[in-house]
Parts: sequence; C-alpha cells; structure tokens
Amino acid sequence: NAGVTQTPKFRVLKTGQSMTLLCAQDMNHEYMYWYRQDPGMGLRLIHYSVGEGTTAKGEVPDGYNVSRLKKQNFLLGLESAAPSQTSVYFCASRWDRGNQPQHFGDGTRLSIL
Amino acid sequence: GIQVEQSPPDLILQEGANSTLRCNFSDSVNNLQWFHQNPWGQLINLFYIPSGTKQNGRLSATTVATERYSLLYISSSQTTDSGVYFCAVETAGGTSYGKLTFGQGTILTVHP
Repeated sequence: NAGVTQTPKFRVLKTGQSMTLLCAQDMNHEYMYWYRQDPGMGLRLIHYSVGEGTTAKGEVPDGYNVSRLKKQNFLLGLESAAPSQTSVYFCASRWDRGNQPQHFGDGTRLSIL
Repeated sequence: GIQVEQSPPDLILQEGANSTLRCNFSDSVNNLQWFHQNPWGQLINLFYIPSGTKQNGRLSATTVATERYSLLYISSSQTTDSGVYFCAVETAGGTSYGKLTFGQGTILTVHP
C-alpha cells in the first residue's frame, strides 16, 4: 500500500518550459489536493478535486492547470514556468465521507531558473 | 477566510526537555491536523484531532474547539524531534470539501 505517490521528486526547469507533476493514490479517495510550500511558510492550496472529472480553484491557482481524468490520479501542469513557481509541491487525498484526515505525498521540489 | 496562528515561531530545546506548541484559529473547524515536517521535507501526520485529547508515545495533543485553539505537547524531546510543526484546519461547513488552511509553523530545534 503506497498511499500517495508523487513523481518526479525533483526537477529543474528553465523559464517558459512546461511540465506536469503526477499524483497517484491507491486508497480510493474521492478528494485530492495540490498545495505549494514556499520557504518559511505553511502550505497553500493551489487546486483541488472532489471526484473524477472535477477540478476547482484553491487559494493560489494562477499559472497552474489540473486534470483528474482517473480517480486515482491528479495532475498539476505548468504551461509556461516562471521563477515565482519555484517551490515544493505537495499532493494530498482523503475520503469524502465524514470528517477525515488528509494523507500527503512526499513532495516534489521544483526549481525554475 | 479562516486565520491560523502558531506560536512560538521558533523553539530551541535541550534534549530531554518538554515543550508546548500552540495553534489558534479564527473560526469553527471540522478538522484539525498536526504535522511534523522532517529535515528531508516529508510531512508526517501526527494527529487528527478536531476536538478532545489524543496521545501517541511522547506526543499528545488537545483541541478545545469551543475556544478555538489546539496544543501539541512534546515530552522528553529528542534530536529527531527537530523540524517544523504545522497545524492545519478545515473550516466547518458543508462546502469546505476538506480543504486545509495551514499555520506558518513552529521551527523546533533540539540540541543533544
């Protein structure tokens, strides 16, 4: 049982390049989330999904797109990377019924030069 | 939106000492979680505690939802306890969809 798996773990991009971060969970969770963590700060919500085929904006959505084509996968895309998007990205998931804890992946460290 | 404030921002301890970390929040919550972010950046889920008290080894947590705060107790601290401790809350209400708002964290350093 892997829980929440993020790939890649590290990536360096040049300004203007595009890339996709993958989050996969094997717990059959309906809800999934993407957060970013900047130095000295807590995590902030980028986008989230409440089920397959759904997405919604969080606190800091600009510059990112997401897709949830399969229940177990939640993709975060950067179409044209900017240095301000240098951050550590965390994915999380949880059950949709009742009050439940979120389960987090190990993070993706992304640097944009 | 809901505000989450953690104190103290930094804490330095000698191994074996006890400590209390505090999390204040500005609105009613459905969910409150405490996390430890280790030096490798991993977020370790310590407690899911929207109310009441829980204990896990040397760590315990208490949330007083009516007074909008939570406390994390670390007893007999060890160097492996070093890292950043985050409190995160989910605002009460049917349309929150489990979204968490994080505090700024408490940086704990335990010296041998």
